[in-house]
Amino acid sequence: SAVISQKPSRDICQRGTSLTIQCQVDSQVTMMFWYRQQPGQSLTLIATANQGSEATYESGFVIDKFPISRPNLTFSTLTVSNMSPEDSSIYLCSVGVSPTEAFFGQGTRLTVV
Amino acid sequence: DAKTTQPTSMDCAEGRAANLPCNHSTISGNEYVYWYRQIHSQGPQYIIHGLKNNETNEMASLIITEDRKSSTLILPHATLRDTAVYYCIVGRSGNTPLVFGKGTRLSVIA
Repeated sequence: SAVISQKPSRDICQRGTSLTIQCQVDSQVTMMFWYRQQPGQSLTLIATANQGSEATYESGFVIDKFPISRPNLTFSTLTVSNMSPEDSSIYLCSVGVSPTEAFFGQGTRLTVV
Repeated sequence: DAKTTQPTSMDCAEGRAANLPCNHSTISGNEYVYWYRQIHSQGPQYIIHGLKNNETNEMASLIITEDRKSSTLILPHATLRDTAVYYCIVGRSGNTPLVFGKGTRLSVIA
């Protein structure tokens, strides 16, 4: 199993500012994934982050808007840049620890005003 | 990854078995069937997975049809705390990202 800590758990931010979300895992993992969940919607994959390489972004998500760092095998950050109210969502990180099971953090609830 | 089809919502009486169906007719031979649930916007929680055979753990049972085109998650004795959105996902491994559909919103009623 894996325990994932996300910080902050929630925040209210002004439009035009940026927020960095941290994801800490209690074990070393190769792959970390970042998801967005807009209000009332399902989870959408933003990007996959490998340690030591650039993150791979899904269609509709770009590095300038969602820069990701992955400095080691237990930590990653996602920054939401130049925020607008449309960025109000829950952001979740996830790791695949075993070949058949993934674990999720509790999410960061972001409100942009 | 294959796509899945689930009912939008279901109700279940407390103490009864909840049977949640999922269609995955385009699943390929090396893809697993996973079930996760999300309680009130918490992070998704792993429930169970299977490849070909039926599986059971302390939370649930997973019944996969012989042709693997559909499956059913069974919560044997649903409680109010089982009220959640249940996601059926097909994929290759925990090291590849999970692709979430809309899921089934299960309401357990007292």
